[in-house]
Amino acid sequence: GAVVSQHPSWVICKSGTSVKIECRSLDFQATTMFWYRQFPKQSLMLMATSNEGSKATYEQGVEKDKFLINHASLTLSTLTVTSAHPEDSSFYICSAMATTYEQYFGPGTRLTVT
Amino acid sequence: AQKITQTQPGMFVQEKEAVTLDCTYDTSDPSYGLFWYKQPSSGEMIFLIYQGSYDQQNATEGRYSLNFQKARKSANLVISASQLGDSAMYFCAMREWGSARQLTFGSGTQLTVLP
Repeated sequence: GAVVSQHPSWVICKSGTSVKIECRSLDFQATTMFWYRQFPKQSLMLMATSNEGSKATYEQGVEKDKFLINHASLTLSTLTVTSAHPEDSSFYICSAMATTYEQYFGPGTRLTVT
Repeated sequence: AQKITQTQPGMFVQEKEAVTLDCTYDTSDPSYGLFWYKQPSSGEMIFLIYQGSYDQQNATEGRYSLNFQKARKSANLVISASQLGDSAMYFCAMREWGSARQLTFGSGTQLTVLP
């Protein structure tokens, strides 16, 4: 199956700093990628839909100025958490559409803000 | 309203036995797809099985089968011959092809396989 990578797999940062998470489709091109957030023992919550070459579409309640998404190429989308705070600590998962029907997930990035 | 409902927060099953994880859904879109994912403690989302709303037969993939009852709007996952490695969180998800491209997930069921 298609492979989606995320980097870094885990990151610790200090409160007030920004952190960038990369999501790459390794063996296919993805015009659409999704970013999810997951708290422990909870479900995945869609944060935004990222379309190559255009602005991301954010879900209600997600601060677009805090969670900056850039989908600059058909194989790369980035999520930047700006001015991170401890409440931003979470597991962030990206996924990419290989075809209209097939969606593949990255391994996730665990963010801890101290 | 919840689009995907998983009513079992946790389930236990004895090794080698079968287990059914419940999932009900709600949609007015006649064209939709139902998915099951497994998420072990590592966090990776592993695709298990897919059922399309127009599929006549229940989907099967190895030890996984999907009991699709369209009229009842249920899409239960059946795992046969449970293995210790099946212990994980399981999520049911739906995509409505007419309206949205994103998956909507249920709250998940934590399955523990007992030796």
